[in-house]
Amino acid sequence: QKEVEQDPGPLSVPEGAIVSLNCTYSNSAFQYFMWYRQYSRKGPELLMYTYSSGNKEDGRFTAQVDKSSKYISLFIRDSQPSDSATYLCAMSETLSNYQLIWGAGTKLIIKP
Amino acid sequence: DAGITQSPRHKVTETGTPVTLRCHQTENHRYMYWYRQDPGHGLRLIHYSYGVKDTDKGEVSDGYSVSRSKTEDFLLTLESATSSQTSVYFCAIHRQVTDTQYFGPGTRLTVL
Repeated sequence: QKEVEQDPGPLSVPEGAIVSLNCTYSNSAFQYFMWYRQYSRKGPELLMYTYSSGNKEDGRFTAQVDKSSKYISLFIRDSQPSDSATYLCAMSETLSNYQLIWGAGTKLIIKP
Repeated sequence: DAGITQSPRHKVTETGTPVTLRCHQTENHRYMYWYRQDPGHGLRLIHYSYGVKDTDKGEVSDGYSVSRSKTEDFLLTLESATSSQTSVYFCAIHRQVTDTQYFGPGTRLTVL
């Protein structure tokens, strides 16, 4: 079993919809949680970063961490075709060597 | 843009030949990483470096070696390339100000 599980999709939704992307993990020691967005044939780019539990909002994006359920989510409001990409979650126990454990990514398609 | 360049961006080589990929950064970051990305596996850490001449193995280090003789350059070498090493290779740096990793544009390697 992988430490971090993420549905590969593709997830296809109409423009304007609210999107929910999720990751589950098995290591209860994870404290640092990130979401990256990766466009086709590009490197991943950091989207959101949260520490421990709770919510964090940045524009149309909200990251949510539920440590009791070992579950993190990324919500995208008013989704746009430009949001079409692969979304990867990453997490870490400690920042001592800054190593991250990655989900395999969910491919998101926003239909105009 | 984290000031990371990778070279070459594309390479086709034959089984058994040595291959070196270069990652160059302009911002003097201490930590640098090499990942490979394959469908269904997400990002997997090959090697990382925490300073000049200081490197350590990641999850999938077999068949790969690295060197870091200058802060700005991190080299990944495939001593004798195999078809299983066909992949997209990403270099990343850890930026302490934001405590997260930033990625280069990637190198697409095909081993025939």
